[in-house]
Amino acid sequence: QKEVEQNSGPLSVPEGAIASLNCTYSDRGSQSFFWYRQYSGKSPELIMFIYSNGDKEDGRFTAQLNKASQYVSLLIRDSQPSDSATYLCAAQLPNTGNQFYFGTGTSLTVIP
Amino acid sequence: EPEVTQTPSHQVTQMGQEVILRCVPISNHLYFYWYRQILGQKVEFLVSFYNNEISEKSEIFDDQFSVERPDGSNFTLKIRSTKLEDSAMYFCASSVTRGETQYFGPGTRLLVL
Repeated sequence: QKEVEQNSGPLSVPEGAIASLNCTYSDRGSQSFFWYRQYSGKSPELIMFIYSNGDKEDGRFTAQLNKASQYVSLLIRDSQPSDSATYLCAAQLPNTGNQFYFGTGTSLTVIP
Repeated sequence: EPEVTQTPSHQVTQMGQEVILRCVPISNHLYFYWYRQILGQKVEFLVSFYNNEISEKSEIFDDQFSVERPDGSNFTLKIRSTKLEDSAMYFCASSVTRGETQYFGPGTRLLVL
């Protein structure tokens, strides 16, 4: 079973706070994980990817991966109103070719 | 910065009609994909395409669907005999190679009446 689970939210944080978005996956074969941001009615836009255990930082964003717990998260520091969107977690399983399995997404609202 | 482009942005069709959705992947990318997102639901994989043939397809991608790369730049998704439940946003994506980041186009919103 290849499931990616996310809390659908909505998650609300005040401007300047840290937003924490979580994702779990069921298939231990998952190797690469991607965080996309999707504004309403728009296409998914890549934020970052991670494939090694630990943290990966890119500007205000930090992705965290724990393969033992089958858990991946995204932290957004100094949240801005423009960060308000749905955040999609995707897992890529090499044994199934190249397709991405997406979660349902977490809706984030940053309150000014 | 190179982008995936898709046309049309919106398509309205009658049930039973055929539609063709078009995509121009990023020029140096070798893998192409179609995904579907029904309103309010998750993004779902349809098919991947490499070296002029289907690499992988999901259960959704049945005989009603076909893909083609008719020339060196376009990548199309054909839906024959559309059904009401085909109404969705269809995203094209491309990646440099297998397992790499997939970049999404802006999508085509298909409405079947």
